[in-house]
Amino acid sequence: GAGVSQTPSNKVTEKGKYVELRCDPISGHTALYWYRQSLGQGPEFLIYFQGTGAADDSGLPNDRFFAVRPEGSVSTLKIQRTERGDSAVYLCASSRQSSNTGELFFGEGSRLTVL
Amino acid sequence: GENVEQHPSTLSVQEGDSAVIKCTYSDSASNYFPWYKQELGKRPQLIIDIRSNVGEKKDQRIAVTLNKTAKHFSLHITETQPEDSAVYFCAASSYQAGTALIFGKGTTLSVSS
Repeated sequence: GAGVSQTPSNKVTEKGKYVELRCDPISGHTALYWYRQSLGQGPEFLIYFQGTGAADDSGLPNDRFFAVRPEGSVSTLKIQRTERGDSAVYLCASSRQSSNTGELFFGEGSRLTVL
Repeated sequence: GENVEQHPSTLSVQEGDSAVIKCTYSDSASNYFPWYKQELGKRPQLIIDIRSNVGEKKDQRIAVTLNKTAKHFSLHITETQPEDSAVYFCAASSYQAGTALIFGKGTTLSVSS
């Protein structure tokens, strides 16, 4: 596609439910990143993939959060037993370079609201 | 891990004035320092970046300086215009360490005409 695509754009769920957020990166981009952004804050790093493998998952806040990228393209961020504090905009970004020092192209984000 | 601090959190200037945003980082291994601009309700977009082998880089009205010894870098915008109003984020990463890009908390720049 022309840009990074994220679905859903908005997700409202109840506390304790399971949520999946999808990211479709720019074709050919080997690196894929997940960040989350709360109001008035900078993007908070969660996890980054080089190809199919997680190169750095040190930003995942706890074991309720998990992400996969099975074929090295589309990625899914999975959140179990959601809590109100998980409410944020989840941003996905991809980069054409295999190193971690290239321009990130962000998607529009998935706004998650946990009631 | 890397920690990036950014100041000020808000900055208001008159059109035509200059604006300076400063960041410090903690990991001496970091060697890539981009700046992203995020307009209200939009996605962050890269506006300029600098690598540790240079001390300054300029692109029209925007410049970035880097002091590796002091571990700080700055964004300079000259002749500000109302369309420069946005949130600006600095960030840092290290190729050698394989670390992902870590962002500062952002600076909200308001340019009034």
